Amino acid sequence: GENVEQHPSTLSVQEGDSAVIKCTYSDSASNYFPWYKQELGKGPQLIIDIRSNVGEKKDQRIAVTLNKTAKHFSLHITETQPEDSAVYFCAASNNNAGNMLTFGGGTRLMVKP
Amino acid sequence: ETGVTQTPRHLVMGMTNKKSLKCEQHLGHNAMYWYKQSAKKPLELMFVYSLEERVENNSVPSRFSPECPNSSHLFLHLHTLQPEDSALYLCASSQDTFRELFFGEGSRLTVL
Repeated sequence: GENVEQHPSTLSVQEGDSAVIKCTYSDSASNYFPWYKQELGKGPQLIIDIRSNVGEKKDQRIAVTLNKTAKHFSLHITETQPEDSAVYFCAASNNNAGNMLTFGGGTRLMVKP
Repeated sequence: ETGVTQTPRHLVMGMTNKKSLKCEQHLGHNAMYWYKQSAKKPLELMFVYSLEERVENNSVPSRFSPECPNSSHLFLHLHTLQPEDSALYLCASSQDTFRELFFGEGSRLTVL
């Protein structure tokens, strides 16, 4: 089955700096890669996703890149703000086959004002 | 109400108790899920229901028993739990299996 590794487990940045979170996956058939943000006391919420037919996707300050050959994908947050502080999870699945999402272990991002 | 609602938000139970967690989704989705979130572990999928039929049972101990009476409601019945079952239990829904998941805020379970 799929295995997703996520690094780092914790990340502390200064407000305004950029933050990068990286994930690797094992199943070359995986074609759907969402990122979820979980704020304290809340459930995870989808913030961006990418499919295997594109290499990069951007949404305002958030971008995700995918390298299918190396089987890794990354989340980039620019101009970080205190409200970006949360736990971020990457995940992977073979969406065409309706396979289950396999989540990474999570990254706790702390943005210091 | 909108989104995915879970009750209770907090639950403390002894190992001999029987309790239930409830999830209700107001999004018109046709798939619902239970996930377990423990400290320092990835989100673990427990059960998946699609159109009220269980389609995934991820090797979960029988002391956890799911019930999906209709596409809007999902229950997790708990009995004779162990302290290691203490965790945050998250319910989610989606339109078709494993499309974008919409999570509830979770039920924090503590087993004494």
